[in-house]
Amino acid sequence: EPEVTQTPSHQVTQMGQEVILRCVPISNHLYFYWYRQILGQKVEFLVSFYNNEISEKSEIFDDQFSVERPDGSNFTLKIRSTKLEDSAMYFCASKATEAFFGQGTRLTVV
Amino acid sequence: GNSVTQMEGPVTLSEEAFLTINCTYTATGYPSLFWYVQYPGEGLQLLLKATKADDKGSNKGFEATYRKETTSFHLEKGSVQVSDSAVYFCALSAQNTGFQKLVFGTGTRLLVSP
Repeated sequence: EPEVTQTPSHQVTQMGQEVILRCVPISNHLYFYWYRQILGQKVEFLVSFYNNEISEKSEIFDDQFSVERPDGSNFTLKIRSTKLEDSAMYFCASKATEAFFGQGTRLTVV
Repeated sequence: GNSVTQMEGPVTLSEEAFLTINCTYTATGYPSLFWYVQYPGEGLQLLLKATKADDKGSNKGFEATYRKETTSFHLEKGSVQVSDSAVYFCALSAQNTGFQKLVFGTGTRLLVSP
């Protein structure tokens, strides 16, 4: 069964450092998403991506965040200068008719 | 705005007990409704969905009915198993966002003991 793959599963980084979270969506899907879940809180939408551009982004997705599909298979989320409050589980999803999620990357900013 | 409210967890049940996890929503128009499940150490998996009023989604013995009049989509299972222990998320996608992004509830942890 096709699946969405995320790497790494856990990333620890120092405050102010840049991190890149990686995702390999399902190959024939056209819509891609990033969500995050701060411990004990809701899963929150960050950004959607279609046809090589951002189609929608939330208020959370400020100038510190960016997404890229560099090579037609990977889909990345970059946080330029991490803050403590960026610590969360980050989920990638891809969609044809319904969304499939990856296992998530737990980001810990110290 | 669009939102989903779920009952607080954890829900603790014995094997073979009846399960209900309540979910209500606020949305303009006619959203699509979903239940996702997250087993320990895994990602979110779609459990079931319903796209219009009175539709019943079902999968693996779980079911939920789209109730427009009460804006609810409660998850039920007649007889839970230990293997059903997981976190369950209710979610919607709305007409006013082109049914693209998902809006999630906070999740309800289910613990089933033998």
